[in-house]
Amino acid sequence: DAKTTQPPSMDCAEGRAANLPCNHSTISGNEYVYWYRQIHSQGPQYIIHGLKNNETNEMASLIITEDRKSSTLILPHATLRDTAVYYCIVSYGGSQGNLIFGKGTKLSVKP
Amino acid sequence: DTGVSQNPRHKITKRGQNVTFRCDPISEHNRLYWYRQTLGQGPEFLTYFQNEAQLEKSRLLSDRFSAERPKGSFSTLEIQRTEQGDSAMYLCASSLGQTKKNTEAFFGQGTRLTVV
Repeated sequence: DAKTTQPPSMDCAEGRAANLPCNHSTISGNEYVYWYRQIHSQGPQYIIHGLKNNETNEMASLIITEDRKSSTLILPHATLRDTAVYYCIVSYGGSQGNLIFGKGTKLSVKP
Repeated sequence: DTGVSQNPRHKITKRGQNVTFRCDPISEHNRLYWYRQTLGQGPEFLTYFQNEAQLEKSRLLSDRFSAERPKGSFSTLEIQRTEQGDSAMYLCASSLGQTKKNTEAFFGQGTRLTVV
């Protein structure tokens, strides 16, 4: 079973920041938080991952709380092409990690 | 195109027939995963390989399912005696799988199986 809890859906206005929350209260010390997204009829796409520190790349920022029990994915300027299902996953990664997906959050970016 | 390639993209088969799907991972990736996804659900893990060794199999992988990665490069997933419940998108992913570094998985576009 997935170890994360996400809202089933969210809306965001085009050009505004999209903030997608994720709860992972049972995360263990060496598990990472991964975010993937899946645009309709395509395979999932990696976005970002982190362990303890906040992370930023060209796609998004990942904010992880100090106790690591929750995180937020931030898309700073959402576009219509960001409409997708976003999955938050905790995984050991590396030598052990298969990814256990939940149902994710359906983000709808509206004009 | 240097991404993960899956063939065929679509497959329609009659119940009881056998089907085989192929996945070509990114060339330097030593880890390869198979997932299944049904409508409205997230992908479900089936199995993964480290090079040619199949290291983990989900309980979802019934004895009608078999996966191989004979030379540690491409992989095949075979379903024998297909059932209507096997209708799904079958996704393949690959990653570097370095033991001391977490690396992301890259997914293919999937093979959509319809059993009629």
